[in-house]
Amino acid sequence: QSALTQPRSVSGSPGQSVAISCTGTSSDVGGSNYVSWYQHHPGKAPELIISDVTKRPSGVPDRFSGSRSGNTASLTISGLQAEDEADYYCCSYAATYTSYVFGTGTTVTVL
Amino acid sequence: EIHLVESGGGLVQPGGSLRLSCGASGFSFSAYWMTWVRQAPGKGLEWMANINPDASETYYVASVKGRFTVSRDNAKNSLYLQLNSLRADDTAVYYCARHYNWVFDYWGRGTLVTVSS
Repeated sequence: QSALTQPRSVSGSPGQSVAISCTGTSSDVGGSNYVSWYQHHPGKAPELIISDVTKRPSGVPDRFSGSRSGNTASLTISGLQAEDEADYYCCSYAATYTSYVFGTGTTVTVL
Repeated sequence: EIHLVESGGGLVQPGGSLRLSCGASGFSFSAYWMTWVRQAPGKGLEWMANINPDASETYYVASVKGRFTVSRDNAKNSLYLQLNSLRADDTAVYYCARHYNWVFDYWGRGTLVTVSS
């Protein structure tokens, strides 16, 4: 099973919005309600920021939002802040394989 | 506060074995699925395996099936990953994570495994 496809990097100035796409197939992203997003500052533990495609866990700032259209999920960061500079990974459950697949990862740079 | 701490990583020769451990605290360990995820140098996250609360069910990514074994000891609040027949491309930071409602909601900081002669 192949990794989900994400752009290698995106960047924006403080206060701007950026969107990260995550493209899979009908066997994962397009066919699963269990798409999640993780923020990873290198050297630290990854953190869950979006679950079930659109849900934001308690404590996650509301500038993070998730959506999906067809086989592509998206993470939008509105009002970019310096501390948002990190790597971001999408993840989907793939029922056909009873497994999970992560995206290739996107580095967000705050200019 | 929930804590997950991985240990057991190190340098191992190709073909060798290693056992990783993950100590859990701050939650009822025996009630949760647990997961292992790895990240090779310069690469993204890769889901490895998970195990249900009573260890009666385990699932693996195809690339490690038959070589890696996930297990747990609920009495010790510990998760394990036995790595056998190690190859250079198994070099990675290995993370344990709590697996709840189809997400990995708490993670450790990882332990580095280096496979090299």
